[in-house]
Amino acid sequence: EDKVVQSPLSLVVHEGDTVTLNCSYEVTNFRSLLWYKQEKKAPTFLFMLTSSGIEKKSGRLSSILDKKELFSILNITATQTGDSAIYLCAVDRNYGQNFVFGPGTRLSVLP
Amino acid sequence: GAGVSQSPSNKVTEKGKDVELRCDPISGHTALYWYRQSLGQGLEFLIYFQGNSAPDKSGLPSDRFSAERTGGSVSTLTIQRTQQEDSAVYLCASSLGFRGQETQYFGPGTRLLVL
Repeated sequence: EDKVVQSPLSLVVHEGDTVTLNCSYEVTNFRSLLWYKQEKKAPTFLFMLTSSGIEKKSGRLSSILDKKELFSILNITATQTGDSAIYLCAVDRNYGQNFVFGPGTRLSVLP
Repeated sequence: GAGVSQSPSNKVTEKGKDVELRCDPISGHTALYWYRQSLGQGLEFLIYFQGNSAPDKSGLPSDRFSAERTGGSVSTLTIQRTQQEDSAVYLCASSLGFRGQETQYFGPGTRLLVL
């Protein structure tokens, strides 16, 4: 059965810390991996990764994919309280037709 | 509006009643997805539409759940004879729907509570 695993499930840090969130997957038909940030109801898109070893970067956030070891990491540097959210990892199994999501990592950034 | 919209934002119903949830995708997005998120749980894929057809209905949890999409735009998710375990946030997302443009944009969700 296809699955996406995220770790840690919960993380508490202080402002200014750097965090690394992990996502590993076992799927039969991998197409791409996506990261989302969910603060209240609706997730917002962060990154889509399709190739190994190419870092995607947006401000203090960056992410990279390893298709050989079947995992991705999301890094957040110099964390701020506004980074507090659930970070979701999802794998696209069929060119946008079928996604499986991980359980998410709940990040709390304390002032 | 520019984003995905859903209605109602909140729905409280009694066990056994039918409910209908609505999703308006971003204009021009041919792909539309329904998910649900139970309290403390991850997102659960329900169904995907490409245009008006749903090639993948594998995620619908039971035959009480159905969905349709008309005119390649608005979609409705119907839950018949609701049960308490149906209580969740139902999220809709849309995307451009072709290879390389699979990024999904989510609506605000409908919070369903079945008493």
